[in-house]
Amino acid sequence: EAGVVQSPRYKIIEKKQPVAFWCNPISGHNTLYWYRQNLGQGPELLIRYENEEAVDDSQLPKDRFSAERLKGVDSTLKIQPAELGDSAVYLCASSPGTGYGYTFGSGTRLTVV
Amino acid sequence: GENVEQHPSTLSVQEGDSAVIKCTYSDSASNYFPWYKQELGKGPQLIIDIRSNVGEKKDQRIAVTLNKTAKHFSLHITETQPEDSAVYFCAAVDSGGSNYKLTFGKGTLLTVNP
Repeated sequence: EAGVVQSPRYKIIEKKQPVAFWCNPISGHNTLYWYRQNLGQGPELLIRYENEEAVDDSQLPKDRFSAERLKGVDSTLKIQPAELGDSAVYLCASSPGTGYGYTFGSGTRLTVV
Repeated sequence: GENVEQHPSTLSVQEGDSAVIKCTYSDSASNYFPWYKQELGKGPQLIIDIRSNVGEKKDQRIAVTLNKTAKHFSLHITETQPEDSAVYFCAAVDSGGSNYKLTFGKGTLLTVNP
């Protein structure tokens, strides 16, 4: 069984440019999460989806960040425009929807220069 | 909201020794406590978890203990090996409510010296 797949693995962009990350969760997992992990820190939740509905986006900086999960499967996280402080690893995770069994992807390491 | 404190931030042991990492949490509603291992360039990988109705769980060389009264839980690794070297994160979540958010500690960098 394939795990949570994320792409790209690495991205370097100049500030003020847009960037998008893609996530394919484990088949059958209704709940999908985007986390941000700053260097030397634990991951912090940005947004949680139940199927295609964003049910917790309280930590998402909505002025520049957006996310979508079309058809309740794949998800895209976008930043526009990117700032230097957005440099981090963006992790996608999925779970069966019960609160247990989180599985993380390998993440996208974003560097904003 | 939930707050998870993790100690120590770095831990260095000799191969074959035991390693212990401790976490405390603040929200008494939290009832699920997973531990993750993160190797360089990879996402966190679940290594063991414990639910609030259990005081201890063991899986080969890894064990986790939970004290709900004191709101703390610990990871124990015995007979450490160099491949155990990684960053370990504890986390807490209230999986009984509608919020499935994992709150992580800041991580412990474990180094196992051959």
